[in-house]
Amino acid sequence: GQQLNQSPQSMFIQEGEDVSMNCTSSSIFNTWLWYKQDPGEGPVLLIALYKAGELTSNGRLTAQFGITRKDSFLNISASIPSDVGIYFCAGGTGNQFYFGTGTSLTVIP
Amino acid sequence: DTGVSQDPRHKITKRGQNVTFRCDPISEHNRLYWYRQTLGQGPEFLTYFQNEAQLEKSRLLSDRFSAERPKGSFSTLEIQRTEQGDSAMYLCASSLDGLNHQPQHFGDGTRLSIL
Repeated sequence: GQQLNQSPQSMFIQEGEDVSMNCTSSSIFNTWLWYKQDPGEGPVLLIALYKAGELTSNGRLTAQFGITRKDSFLNISASIPSDVGIYFCAGGTGNQFYFGTGTSLTVIP
Repeated sequence: DTGVSQDPRHKITKRGQNVTFRCDPISEHNRLYWYRQTLGQGPEFLTYFQNEAQLEKSRLLSDRFSAERPKGSFSTLEIQRTEQGDSAMYLCASSLDGLNHQPQHFGDGTRLSIL
């Protein structure tokens, strides 16, 4: 199946730093979702985006639906240790969502 | 807890055996999805139900795999004659209907290990 390209693949940052990650595709999507997954658990929805150019925040998290509809961005401000995990983007078209390869985030206290 | 529930959480079985997993979606959600996730990868779509109707199946879903949602509520995913390559996390997700793609809410998955 199709998997979207996420970058970076992994990040090691100091607590308090801001984080940026992005997701790109060769296909156009109508919806972008961002999830966080902890080991041994299912992905948990963070933010949903429905319109090109849309910018949506959820606490310290901000995500944007790219103008081309082929990409999306997630920013985390003032990172804390519990932000550790794997972040996945998902692009929606038809009846399916296609997931990215994930960005693994490690926050060093 | 009113989230998506999956059972069992872990399943270890010998190659060649059949296994069945169950998913109970969020009660008002009429869409239900099955995904497979291997280590270091994102979830890959397997199949999708709208109420009791199975509307889409991925090419990943070989003829050894079958999914049902008989009453439009819980769903089962069966794998027959398991192979080592079937070892993965099997995730279920559910969502509402809607004009926009409604966000999918995931269960914690069933981790399958084939010996």
